[in-house]
Amino acid sequence: KQEVTQIPAALSVPEGENLVLNCSFTDSAIYNLQWFRQDPGKGLTSLLLIQSSQREQTSGRLNASLDKSSGRSTLYIAASQPGDSATYLCAAGGYKLSFGAGTTVTVRA
Amino acid sequence: ETGVTQTPRHLVMGMTNKKSLKCEQHLGHNAMYWYKQSAKKPLELMFVYSLEERVENNSVPSRFSPECPNSSHLFLHLHTLQPEDSALYLCASSQERASSYNEQFFGPGTRLTVL
Repeated sequence: KQEVTQIPAALSVPEGENLVLNCSFTDSAIYNLQWFRQDPGKGLTSLLLIQSSQREQTSGRLNASLDKSSGRSTLYIAASQPGDSATYLCAAGGYKLSFGAGTTVTVRA
Repeated sequence: ETGVTQTPRHLVMGMTNKKSLKCEQHLGHNAMYWYKQSAKKPLELMFVYSLEERVENNSVPSRFSPECPNSSHLFLHLHTLQPEDSALYLCASSQERASSYNEQFFGPGTRLTVL
């Protein structure tokens, strides 16, 4: 069974600092890894999807890397802003996604 | 309407009630999903439908009954629920099931409270 772990569980940084969010998974036989953002009481917003054959994906200030052999993915958010405050979830798999518990980020103005 | 929509957004029901959650996707996708998000726990996949056929039932109790009448609509019928079923129920869709590019798009969820 796929186990997904996200560390740290919570993170508080001053505005402008770069964010590094970590995700690890136990089964490297995945089709893709997806990063989501969730605001309190809301649904999930897809941020980036990395296919199993890819090493990284970029969108604006966001960059996600994937290392299947070590079972790790990292989400980098450059020059954080208060609007980046949310819970970030990673999910590994294919159509059956296994989710981590998330990292709750607070960006202080 | 765009993306994935869910109704109602909030639902309070007693343990003897019967209610239904509705999900609609406006993305032309072929696969739809139900997830459960409980407090302090990771999202749990409940059901997967591909081209209106149920392809996954993740050991969900029979008091939850899904229905997918077409590729755009997904329902979750609820009956005789327990207080521990209180959670955020999320619907998602994706282009197709069997693909490495299977980006899932989520609705806003239904917050369910069982009294």
